[in-house]
Amino acid sequence: AQSVAQPEDQVNVAEGNPLTVKCTYSVSGNPYLFWYVQYPNRGLQFLLKYITGDNLVKGSYGFEAEFNKSQTSFHLKKPSALVSDSALYFCAVRDKGYSTLTFGKGTMLLVSP
Amino acid sequence: ETGVTQSPTHLIKTRGQQVTLRCSSQSGHNTVSWYQQALGQGPQFIFQYYREEENGRGNFPPRFSGLQFPNYSSELNVNALELDDSALYLCASSFGGGRDNTEAFFGQGTRLTVV
Repeated sequence: AQSVAQPEDQVNVAEGNPLTVKCTYSVSGNPYLFWYVQYPNRGLQFLLKYITGDNLVKGSYGFEAEFNKSQTSFHLKKPSALVSDSALYFCAVRDKGYSTLTFGKGTMLLVSP
Repeated sequence: ETGVTQSPTHLIKTRGQQVTLRCSSQSGHNTVSWYQQALGQGPQFIFQYYREEENGRGNFPPRFSGLQFPNYSSELNVNALELDDSALYLCASSFGGGRDNTEAFFGQGTRLTVV
């Protein structure tokens, strides 16, 4: 079985400050890890993924994520937050042996001016 | 924007009715997955279709069914609608039965309200 935990329902950060959205995962094998963003009344937009290789993955809109195998974490980060980054962020995992994508419950990011 | 389109965007149905939701996959993709996103929750996997056959199913009852057409577009059918079926239904397009390392691309979703 595979699962994802996003421990924070909401993250608040001031514009210009760095942001971190946390994610931990559980899989039986080697994971594929993904971050998606959802704006109000919209579908999910792909941000970035970890497949293999470098633990720091760079994605769209200046976001990056750090894969930590020992802590089974894949935290989303951005050095300087924008008000337009305010949205719902989902972490997802897929065990390489399976085709099913499992999502966390989501973290609402609110960036204040 | 992705090349995945879903129709309709919004739908209101009465409890006990049946509904069909449609999804056109991105060009070059042969795999479609359906997810249910209840209010305040993450998307939950319903099932996946790969080359016109069901390729995996989540914990949803048989009244949730689907199919995939030769052009890889897909339908999700829900019979005997219940109030708890009210949710955003998301279609995801990918390649290779979802087992390769490429990401899935999502449509904008269909908001289903059951009254």
